[in-house]
Amino acid sequence: AQRVTQPEKLLSVFKGAPVELKCNYSYSGSPELFWYVQYSRQRLQLLLRHISRESIKGFTADLNKGETSFHLKKPFAQEEDSAMYYCALSGSARQLTFGSGTQLTVLP
Amino acid sequence: EAGVAQSPRYKIIEKRQSVAFWCNPISGHATLYWYQQILGQGPKLLIQFQNNGVVDDSQLPKDRFSAERLKGVDSTLKIQPAKLEDSAVYLCASTLGWGAKNIQYFGAGTRLSVL
Repeated sequence: AQRVTQPEKLLSVFKGAPVELKCNYSYSGSPELFWYVQYSRQRLQLLLRHISRESIKGFTADLNKGETSFHLKKPFAQEEDSAMYYCALSGSARQLTFGSGTQLTVLP
Repeated sequence: EAGVAQSPRYKIIEKRQSVAFWCNPISGHATLYWYQQILGQGPKLLIQFQNNGVVDDSQLPKDRFSAERLKGVDSTLKIQPAKLEDSAVYLCASTLGWGAKNIQYFGAGTRLSVL
């Protein structure tokens, strides 16, 4: 069985502060990990995936297989980063298993 | 490129009534998914299609939910009869394929309220 855990439902940081959204997963094989984001009144969209190893909108995420984690980080949060963030795992069946999400609020 | 289209955007029904949702995936996307997202939770997969065939419907409550993708393009999801606990956002997603193309694109969703 595959499972994704996002321990924080709500996270508030001040503009310019670093932010880290936690994600832990459980999967017996080699997973593909994603971060999806949903801005207010917009549809769910891909932010980044671990195999791309790229930075999107200043966000990065590193897959740590030893700790089974895929935390999302940004060194300097911006107000436009306020959104709902979902960590998701794709196994061999190409199905996404989502965490319950973290609502990030960046305060001015 | 047009995104995944879903309709209606909102639906309010009474329990025991029937309801249907429609999804048109991105052109050329062979794989289509339906998810249920209950308030405060992440999306949960209901069914996965590859072209017009079902790949996985193990989490679909088949006593009341049904879905089809007859021509391998559009898809409909039906609930009959609806229960209060079916109140949720129903999301449709599509993807082109494996590897680098394994990115799911989501529709705006249909918000269902069962009274």
